[in-house]
Amino acid sequence: GAVVSQHPSWVICKSGTSVKIECRSLDFQATTMFWYRQFPKQSLMLMATSNEGSKATYEQGVEKDKFLINHASLTLSTLTVTSAHPEDSSFYICSARASTGVAYSPLHFGNGTRLTVT
Amino acid sequence: DQQVKQNSPSLSVQEGRISILNCDYTNSMFDYFLWYKKYPAEGPTFLISISSIKDKNEDGRFTVFLNKSAKHLSLHIVPSQPGDSAVYFCAASSYNNDMRFGAGTRLTVKP
Repeated sequence: GAVVSQHPSWVICKSGTSVKIECRSLDFQATTMFWYRQFPKQSLMLMATSNEGSKATYEQGVEKDKFLINHASLTLSTLTVTSAHPEDSSFYICSARASTGVAYSPLHFGNGTRLTVT
Repeated sequence: DQQVKQNSPSLSVQEGRISILNCDYTNSMFDYFLWYKKYPAEGPTFLISISSIKDKNEDGRFTVFLNKSAKHLSLHIVPSQPGDSAVYFCAASSYNNDMRFGAGTRLTVKP
């Protein structure tokens, strides 16, 4: 089955520093990846759509200068939380579709990254 | 805006009985619906899906029903097992666009 690997699984950083989260599709190519964020006991909120070779598309209310997304290859997208603050502490999850050109296919998710900003 | 709603935050059932999880959506452009299962500190795992051309899809103990006129779908788990205890997210999308998720329903299956 399609595997999406996310790294690191958890990270603690100090306020003001930057953190990079990697998302890799291990056995398929993904022209598009999606980054979600989940607050405790809440739903998955789409942050941005990462497009290989072009700029990411951000959802309303998501600061593109704070959450930098780079989709450098067909198997790797990165999310960098810049100048992190305690309110950025959350669970970040990436996802991708294994099948392109198919009308309906599910998103496959990484295992998420728990970010804690102290 | 909440385009996908799961109004029951939790559900508790006895092992062996049926679990019914419900989901409502508002966007009539959605034509692909999915259910995901999620454990704490893990990413969601795809469970079952249905496209808008169908009203039922079955996979083992899991069946998803879609009522387009009511903009409602449900997930039935029969028989429920303790290992089914998790948070279940309903998701919807149009074609191969991004997915919108409901708030989740925590299912507890008691032995």
